[in-house]
Amino acid sequence: NAGVTQTPKFQVLKTGQSMTLQCAQDMNHEYMSWYRQDPGMGLRLIHYSVGAGITDQGEVPNGYNVSRSTTEDFPLRLLSAAPSQTSVYFCASMGSNNSPLHFGNGTRLTVT
Amino acid sequence: AQSVTQLGSHVSVSEGALVLLRCNYSSSVPPYLFWYVQYPNQGLQLLLKYTSAATLVKGINGFEAEFKKSETSFHLTKPSAHMSDAAEYFCAVSASGGSYIPTFGRGTSLIVHP
Repeated sequence: NAGVTQTPKFQVLKTGQSMTLQCAQDMNHEYMSWYRQDPGMGLRLIHYSVGAGITDQGEVPNGYNVSRSTTEDFPLRLLSAAPSQTSVYFCASMGSNNSPLHFGNGTRLTVT
Repeated sequence: AQSVTQLGSHVSVSEGALVLLRCNYSSSVPPYLFWYVQYPNQGLQLLLKYTSAATLVKGINGFEAEFKKSETSFHLTKPSAHMSDAAEYFCAVSASGGSYIPTFGRGTSLIVHP
């Protein structure tokens, strides 16, 4: 099983550029989420989804959009990149409400 | 709303010594609690989870955690540290009545000295 797959692994953007971070899972999990990890801040929730067609905002949603057209895919879009969005981004999925999260390997994004 | 506080951003122990990483949570309903570990340049992986079946939870690599409702704590312990335990550890809480998506603490970096 591939689990949770994130692409790309590394990305450098200029301020104002847009891009999409891809996330796919092959475990038929209903719940998917995006976190960003910054030094000393732990993981902060950006957006999440509890099923296809349903998304909601987390703790730090500004500057990001998501959609969930299929159970497998949950892309994260940066609309106009800013240096404050330099971070490591993790996608995760879980099968039910008390299941653990399965994480992708992360995307390291630098915005200059 | 739920929240997690991890006391100590860094914990340093000698190899063979007891490991104690502290986690306190806030939740208005019975929580689900998790500990995750992150090795350098990797994603997070589950160490153990509490879902109300037993207050003492055993995880992988010799770690365990005890749920104490009266203290709202879920501290992680290991009797004897190994060099390979050096990593970042995260406590997380989720709760019924909401999205169930976990909230994470800020993490504790475990340093193991030879």
